[in-house]
Amino acid sequence: DTGVSQNPRHKITKRGQNVTFRCDPISEHNRLYWYRQTLGQGPEFLTYFQNEAQLEKSRLLSDRFSAERPKGSFSTLEIQRTEQGDSAMYLCASSLENPNTEAFFGQGTRLTVV
Amino acid sequence: GNSVTQMEGPVTLSEEAFLTINCTYTATGYPSLFWYVQYPGEGLQLLLKATKADDKGSNKGFEATYRKETTSFHLEKGSVQVSDSAVYFCAPRYVGDKLIFGTGTRLQVFP
Repeated sequence: DTGVSQNPRHKITKRGQNVTFRCDPISEHNRLYWYRQTLGQGPEFLTYFQNEAQLEKSRLLSDRFSAERPKGSFSTLEIQRTEQGDSAMYLCASSLENPNTEAFFGQGTRLTVV
Repeated sequence: GNSVTQMEGPVTLSEEAFLTINCTYTATGYPSLFWYVQYPGEGLQLLLKATKADDKGSNKGFEATYRKETTSFHLEKGSVQVSDSAVYFCAPRYVGDKLIFGTGTRLQVFP
């Protein structure tokens, strides 16, 4: 297994366009997380899944954001009608359910909205 | 909800100096505790962890002890190197919950 993979690594889009990011977790991990990180800040929680079930979505998250994990493997994060404030690094992580185990992070997708 | 408070940076040190980065977490539960590190231009990676009270996690000369009585997990290193320059994140993980991150502490080590 090559770890957590995110695609694309970079995305530049015009304001108002929709974007979709993909995350492929470590294969045996049933937990998958999405975070957003802006410069100088820690990762901000967006949502997470256990298998295909979305367990929690941040209350701060706009309805323009949606995530899926249809077969409990890869996940997609879609942002509709992007705004300049959506520009950030979007991080995906995966882990086992056991809270004593660490989460493994992908390299992230850097979104720039122009 | 659950939260974590981390020492603000940047922390600027000379090589071979002693490092402490403070971290405290909310006591509603009994989390596992992690320190993650983000080197310039790289992704987040685990530095060390501790899963129960009085456990000490260690890696690459860094140490942190799980202190239940003070709800703390301070990161220490006896002698920092230029290569330790990075952003460090404290992150508790509660049973049935997601990983929560502090705001991060930037460490800059000068020769």
